[in-house]
Amino acid sequence: KQEVTQIPAALSVPEGENLVLNCSFTDSAIYNLQWFRQDPGKGLTSLLLIQSSQREQTSGRLNASLDKSSGRSTLYIAASQPGDSATYLCAVNSGTYKYIFGTGTRLKVLA
Amino acid sequence: GAGVSQSPSNKVTEKGKDVELRCDPISGHTALYWYRQSLGQGLEFLIYFQGNSAPDKSGLPSDRFSAERTGGSVSTLTIQRTQQEDSAVYLCASSLLGGGTSYEQYFGPGTRLTVT
Repeated sequence: KQEVTQIPAALSVPEGENLVLNCSFTDSAIYNLQWFRQDPGKGLTSLLLIQSSQREQTSGRLNASLDKSSGRSTLYIAASQPGDSATYLCAVNSGTYKYIFGTGTRLKVLA
Repeated sequence: GAGVSQSPSNKVTEKGKDVELRCDPISGHTALYWYRQSLGQGLEFLIYFQGNSAPDKSGLPSDRFSAERTGGSVSTLTIQRTQQEDSAVYLCASSLLGGGTSYEQYFGPGTRLTVT
């Protein structure tokens, strides 16, 4: 049974700092992995989708990497800004329709 | 609209009443998903539709929960005889395909259900 863990659960950093969010999964036989952000009281916004054949994806200041063999993905945020404050979720798809979500990392970027 | 929409955005109901939650997916998306997010919890998968069919309903918490999709578009999630533990945010997502290529999911803003 696939389980997804995100560490840390919460993170507070000063503005401008580079940071890494971690996502671990127990079954390496995945189809893809998706990173989302969720603002308080809002739905999820897709950030990056990595297919199982890819090692990383980049969008602006965000870079997501995938290491299937070790069951890990990281989301790197460069030069963090207060507007990056949100909860970041990763979700794993094992080749079916079902995504398994982690419980998220609550990020606060201090001005 | 270009995105996934859900209604109502907030619903307060008394214990024992029935509620209907609606989801309008992105036009042309064949796959539709319902999730539940309870306070402090991760997203819990409820049900998936491919077209109008729901191949897997095993995520529905109890037989009080049901969902349907018509015309390959709008979906409704119905909760009968609501209980306080049903209080949560119910999120809907759609994707272009439900079992193949990119499957990037696009989420609606959610319906916050409070059962008093």
